[in-house]
Amino acid sequence: DVKVTQSSRYLVKRTGEKVFLECVQDMDHENMFWYRQDPGLGLRLIYFSYDVKMKEKGDIPEGYSVSREKKERFSLILESASTNQTSMYLCASSSGAQGLNTEAFFGQGTRLTVV
Amino acid sequence: RKEVEQDPGPFNVPEGATVAFNCTYSNSASQSFFWYRQDCRKEPKLLMSVYSSGNEDGRFTAQLNRASQYISLLIRDSKLSDSATYLCAPKGKDDKIIFGKGTRLHILP
Repeated sequence: DVKVTQSSRYLVKRTGEKVFLECVQDMDHENMFWYRQDPGLGLRLIYFSYDVKMKEKGDIPEGYSVSREKKERFSLILESASTNQTSMYLCASSSGAQGLNTEAFFGQGTRLTVV
Repeated sequence: RKEVEQDPGPFNVPEGATVAFNCTYSNSASQSFFWYRQDCRKEPKLLMSVYSSGNEDGRFTAQLNRASQYISLLIRDSKLSDSATYLCAPKGKDDKIIFGKGTRLHILP
């Protein structure tokens, strides 16, 4: 079974802090994603990576950066946390192949509160 | 037009009934399509992939209409345990997976 593991289930950080959210997958997937999910807004793509050191902005990249130094690990960085970044953050991975069995598998989510 | 659109619901449906959801997508280059199920305070989990010819998995049937750019999900003989939010997710040629906001389903005893 694919396993996507996020480093924390719950985090509380102060405004202005630099925050790192870590995600590791064990299925040798090429693609990794960071989403945030807010009530009424659904899952919104922050950043996407299709290979080591490669990244693309999603729909809401402002205030975030990412790092992918190894294939299995994708980090989301909040350079200076703000209260409007309080949210559920979900990491996912998927195969880079076309066709079948290319769905995204999710981690359990990190609920981040910025105070 | 939003990239992926779903009726947010909620759909309140008696147990045993049939319910159907539609989802429209704007990216005509989308290659693969998925339905996910998300329970309260949990991560989304794949319910089923959607194949071009349509496919069935037990009580669930998914259809794809490329010409009109929509996918559908039909649930027959609904169970209380089907209560959840259902998310549709087209995957583009660039491998990005964009999710709809989801449709909430409540099955009533």
